[in-house]
Amino acid sequence: SQTIHQWPATLVQPVGSPLSLECTVEGTSNPNLYWYRQAAGRGLQLLFYSVGIGQISSEVPQNLSASRPQDRQFILSSKKLLLSDSGFYLCAWSRDSGYTFGSGTRLTVV
Amino acid sequence: GENVGLHLPTLSVQEGDNSIINCAYSNSASDYFIWYKQESGKGPQFIIDIRSNMDKRQGQRVTVLLNKTVKHLSLQIAATQPGDSAVYFCAETPPSYGKLTFGQGTILTVHP
Repeated sequence: SQTIHQWPATLVQPVGSPLSLECTVEGTSNPNLYWYRQAAGRGLQLLFYSVGIGQISSEVPQNLSASRPQDRQFILSSKKLLLSDSGFYLCAWSRDSGYTFGSGTRLTVV
Repeated sequence: GENVGLHLPTLSVQEGDNSIINCAYSNSASDYFIWYKQESGKGPQFIIDIRSNMDKRQGQRVTVLLNKTVKHLSLQIAATQPGDSAVYFCAETPPSYGKLTFGQGTILTVHP
């Protein structure tokens, strides 16, 4: 069966520090991969999506970047975090039918 | 589009009542719709889906209605239970499982 792993579950980082969040999918190949962000009490905002290795589409201008070095690995990064980068980050995958979300990473920038 | 900048609307019901959560979607080309339930601190969980060639689909205690004319989705929860308390999001996607776009979300609170 397919599973999606996202880590870490929580992260507290100082302003100006780098960020790397990782998401991996098991049990499927060539999935579409997504990064969403959710601010407290808000909806989900699509940040990036990828339809294949090295193919990244950015939905909103921001301080973050994404990379897909392997078929089932999706990484969200920042060189210098801002306070406004705080939020709940969710990775998701889809292929053929349905979308499945990871358990999320709660990032607090202090 | 994504109303990610707005505070979420709320719906409060008593245990045992039926709940109806509404959602307006934006893309007339969307042909696949999903309802998700999100509990605090967790990722969204799939509840039920519907394709654009249907106007109603039933699951266990849940029913989704789709009105393509006015681009409206609703989620009906029968005999609502305290465990149903969560944020509920609708989501839409165009053909070929492109990017999933979320609606605003509704906070459902069920009082015992």
